[in-house]
Amino acid sequence: NAGVTQTPKFRVLKTGQSMTLLCAQDMNHEYMYWYRQDPGMGLRLIHYSVGEGTTAKGEVPDGYNVSRLKKQNFLLGLESAAPSQTSVYFCASSYAGWRLAGGRRQETQYFGPGTRLLVL
Amino acid sequence: DQQVKQNSPSLSVQEGRISILNCDYTNSMFDYFLWYKKYPAEGPTFLISISSIKDKNEDGRFTVFLNKSAKHLSLHIVPSQPGDSAVYFCAASFNSGGSNYKLTFGKGTLLTVNP
Repeated sequence: NAGVTQTPKFRVLKTGQSMTLLCAQDMNHEYMYWYRQDPGMGLRLIHYSVGEGTTAKGEVPDGYNVSRLKKQNFLLGLESAAPSQTSVYFCASSYAGWRLAGGRRQETQYFGPGTRLLVL
Repeated sequence: DQQVKQNSPSLSVQEGRISILNCDYTNSMFDYFLWYKKYPAEGPTFLISISSIKDKNEDGRFTVFLNKSAKHLSLHIVPSQPGDSAVYFCAASFNSGGSNYKLTFGKGTLLTVNP
């Protein structure tokens, strides 16, 4: 049980290049999320998905696109990278069920290890 | 508009003493609160949570206290250990009646536990 995995771990892009970040989870979670973390800014939600084939915008969606073709995968795309997109990107997933074992509610999200992206 | 605030960017404590991390929120609709711990170069990991129907939740050395009237929660770590040195994020959510549950995060507090 690997939990949430992210590919790649680190990437350097030139301005204008495109790339796709891959997130995979093996916990059968319905919900998946993409965040970015910048110094002094905490975690900010980019896009999220409440199920296969559905996506929605988060707090900072501009410049990113996402797709959820399979339940276990959530892709984050940068069509034309900009230096402002230099950041650490985290994927997370969570259940949609009403109640979990131990009373932990479904908002509990489980995070991947992150992808560090540098745009020059 | 920052709905979840962690006003202390950093905190330093001695090993064996108590660490108290604070979090304030402004949205009275929030009804579930979580603490995450993050080591460098790793993703955040869930630590402990509390529902708004409670005012305290304890898990081993970690206790979260919720003061709804003050819109304030705190995480107590007793005793603190060097391995607790990490960034701690406070997060909050509310059930909007829909099927999507989003978390709002604070900016984090860097805890350093000195041996």
